[in-house]
Amino acid sequence: DAKTTQPPSMDCAEGRAANLPCNHSTISGNEYVYWYRQIHSQGPQYIIHGLKNNETNEMASLIITEDRKSSTLILPHATLRDTAVYYCIVRGSQGNLIFGKGTKLSVKP
Amino acid sequence: EPEVTQTPSHQVTQMGQEVILRCVPISNHLYFYWYRQILGQKVEFLVSFYNNEISEKSEIFDDQFSVERPDGSNFTLKIRSTKLEDSAMYFCASSGDRRAFMGYGYTFGSGTRLTVV
Repeated sequence: DAKTTQPPSMDCAEGRAANLPCNHSTISGNEYVYWYRQIHSQGPQYIIHGLKNNETNEMASLIITEDRKSSTLILPHATLRDTAVYYCIVRGSQGNLIFGKGTKLSVKP
Repeated sequence: EPEVTQTPSHQVTQMGQEVILRCVPISNHLYFYWYRQILGQKVEFLVSFYNNEISEKSEIFDDQFSVERPDGSNFTLKIRSTKLEDSAMYFCASSGDRRAFMGYGYTFGSGTRLTVV
């Protein structure tokens, strides 16, 4: 089973920052946090990952709390094309991506 | 940008028939995966494949499933005798990085929608 908890849905106004939370209270010291998204029924798309430091790339920023029990994905200026299901994933024991139900983000004009 | 290509995009088959879903991973990638997503449900891991053998498989990947890399470019998923509950979107993914086992750098295809009637 997925080792993360995410809200089932969130809304965000176009042009505003979207902050997507994730709880992973049972994460172990050598496990990474990954974020993927799935637009409609397309294949999942990698966004970002991190271990304990905050990370930023061209798509998003990832803020991980000091105790590593939670994190937040930030889309700084959400657009309509960012409407998708966002998955927060902690590496499973099999070493493969284990998807949960994710957060359905709706970006509204 | 390199892509993972899956064919066909949609396949309809009769229950009990064999189906082969095809994938062309990114050319220099070494690690290959199949996932499936039943309509309205989670994306589920099926199998990972490296160096011409299965690395990991889930409990979903039972004896009716098999994978093969028949040549240097294709990666296939075969379902021997399809059941109604095999109806799902099947996603192929690949990665060129050993760190892929940490979940980094998977590139997914657009999927094949399998409908078993």
